Amino acid sequence: QLQLQESGPGLVKPSETLSLTCTVSGGSIDSSGYNWGWIRQPPGQGLEWIGSVSYTGSAGHNPSLKSRVIISVDTSKNQFSLKLSSVTAADTAVYFCGRRGRGGGVAPYAVDVWGQGTTVTVSS
Amino acid sequence: QSALTQPPSASGSPGQSVTISCTGTSSDIGGYNYVSWYQQHPGKAPKLMIYEVTQRPSGVPDRFSGSKSGNTASLTVSGLQAEDEADYYCSSYAGINNVIFGGGTKLTVL
Repeated sequence: QLQLQESGPGLVKPSETLSLTCTVSGGSIDSSGYNWGWIRQPPGQGLEWIGSVSYTGSAGHNPSLKSRVIISVDTSKNQFSLKLSSVTAADTAVYFCGRRGRGGGVAPYAVDVWGQGTTVTVSS
Repeated sequence: QSALTQPPSASGSPGQSVTISCTGTSSDIGGYNYVSWYQQHPGKAPKLMIYEVTQRPSGVPDRFSGSKSGNTASLTVSGLQAEDEADYYCSSYAGINNVIFGGGTKLTVL
């Protein structure tokens, strides 16, 4: 059974870079049928799509985050990562990683497997 | 891009049916048949309930159904049960490999 697990610092200082890693177990990240994505949820608020990456390294992100986001993949470690630069208190949230179906594949553009989430607080 | 619009709350008694709406634009819901619905219990990760507007993943009860008309998608929960009480989020493909979520609806089983 495929499982995803987020890891990274729980506290980041303002203006610094938030870095998280998602480790995929029980299956291979090396799949043409899926992208691997990041979603966040500020305290008491709704979900926000951050972006995703394919196993080839092709990535895309939410335009509202401008150029602060970098999402990358390491197929040798079965992991993908998120870097969010110049963070502010507004970036405080639970960050989820997930498997998202690709267009034309199974459950296209839906996240069918989720990590448990990790809380990141931006504070000095 | 703006979030999809959902009512903040919905409610129904056990056994009844409730429908949650999700309104977008022709650039997201209206432009693609890639609407998904997620159920989230407090402190838990979301769970996929519906994809491609009407499709249920394996293991999701057929009490959950989805539909779409124009720029508005809907999730209907029939035969409400206590465990259906949760937050529900819609999402849609919005082009250029991007996804957009709704603000969420808190479903209360009375």
